[in-house]
Amino acid sequence: KQEVTQIPAALSVPEGENLVLNCSFTDSAIYNLQWFRQDPGKGLTSLLLIQSSQREQTSGRLNASLDKSSGRSTLYIAASQPGDSATYLCAVSITGANSKLTFGKGITLSVRP
Amino acid sequence: KAGVTQTPRYLIKTRGQQVTLSCSPISGHRSVSWYQQTPGQGLQFLFEYFSETQRNKGNFPGRFSGRQFSNSRSEMNVSTLELGDSALYLCASSGQSGNTIYFGEGSWLTVV
Repeated sequence: KQEVTQIPAALSVPEGENLVLNCSFTDSAIYNLQWFRQDPGKGLTSLLLIQSSQREQTSGRLNASLDKSSGRSTLYIAASQPGDSATYLCAVSITGANSKLTFGKGITLSVRP
Repeated sequence: KAGVTQTPRYLIKTRGQQVTLSCSPISGHRSVSWYQQTPGQGLQFLFEYFSETQRNKGNFPGRFSGRQFSNSRSEMNVSTLELGDSALYLCASSGQSGNTIYFGEGSWLTVV
């Protein structure tokens, strides 16, 4: 059974810091991995999608990497801003149906001004 | 284009009642999936529908059911509500397999 772990559960950093959020998964036979952002009381917003054949994806200040062999992914946020405060979740799909995702519990990030 | 729309946004039900939640996917998306989010269990997959057929199902009791209509709109139903069913129910839609999945704002269900 696929399990996704995100540690730590919460993180507080000063504005401007570069930071790395970690995600690990137990079964390396994944189809893709996605990083999402969730603001309090809201739905999820997809940030980056990495297919199993890819090593990384970039969007603006965000960069996500994937190492299937070690079962790990990282989300790098450059020059963090207070607006980046949210919960970040990673999710893996183990089938071609990308809708059946297994999620980690998320990392709640607080960026202090 | 319009995003994923879920209704109602908030509702309160009594134990033993049933509830129906609705989801309208992004235009052109044929896959609709449902998730339950609770503080203790996090996000858990309920089921996925594609072209009116249930394609995948999570590990939830039979009280949780769903369906999809020919216009791709989907509903989920929970019968005989229990206190533990209190959660945020999220609907998501996607186009082709392997592409980005888009979530709605969710329906907050409180069972009292």
